[in-house]
Amino acid sequence: DGGITQSPKYLFRKEGQNVTLSCEQNLNHDAMYWYRQDPGQGLRLIYYSQIVNDFQKGDIAEGYSVSREKKESFPLTVTSAQKNPTAFYLCASSLPREHYGYTFGSGTRLTVV
Amino acid sequence: AQKITQTQPGMFVQEKEAVTLDCTYDTSDPSYGLFWYKQPSSGEMIFLIYQGSYDQQNATEGRYSLNFQKARKSANLVISASQLGDSAMYFCAMREFQTGANNLFFGTGTRLTVIP
Repeated sequence: DGGITQSPKYLFRKEGQNVTLSCEQNLNHDAMYWYRQDPGQGLRLIYYSQIVNDFQKGDIAEGYSVSREKKESFPLTVTSAQKNPTAFYLCASSLPREHYGYTFGSGTRLTVV
Repeated sequence: AQKITQTQPGMFVQEKEAVTLDCTYDTSDPSYGLFWYKQPSSGEMIFLIYQGSYDQQNATEGRYSLNFQKARKSANLVISASQLGDSAMYFCAMREFQTGANNLFFGTGTRLTVIP
């Protein structure tokens, strides 16, 4: 079955460490996205990529980095520069201008310890 | 300005009753799409229903319908015959097709609780 796989489901990070969240899709979607969700709040866009080897900053890109070396993969690195990284992270993908929204992964919950 | 506004942080509904979740939006793009997603406690985002800005009829998907009032820029979700499994967060979202940004903007969500 086609879908988006995010791993790990839970991740703990010590202060000052970088961590990388994985996102893989087998839907042959061109565009991929990373969102952050804080408790009781909506989703905020971190980065998005519409084609391989190209990506753009979203609304809250500071302290994060991404790469898009393959169509299927869009990993997110949470760097030590991100002052408040504890949150729920959702990856999504879509076809360009598809009129049926995005397909989401099941999310990664990151906690700083 | 907020592109999507959901003014109801929480809603309660009796099982088997209907409930309306409010959503208003703001855009100058003539071509856009409106979406509703359900997020259960497990965290995944489940697509429920879509309404295009040029669609003449309100969208329906099973027990879900979208009350689209274009002049008022509202896209309320109506859930009929509520079930206990409908308890979740519900998010309204919008995608602007002509700006080229290809982003989905979300509201802050409404937590629905279905009471037995």
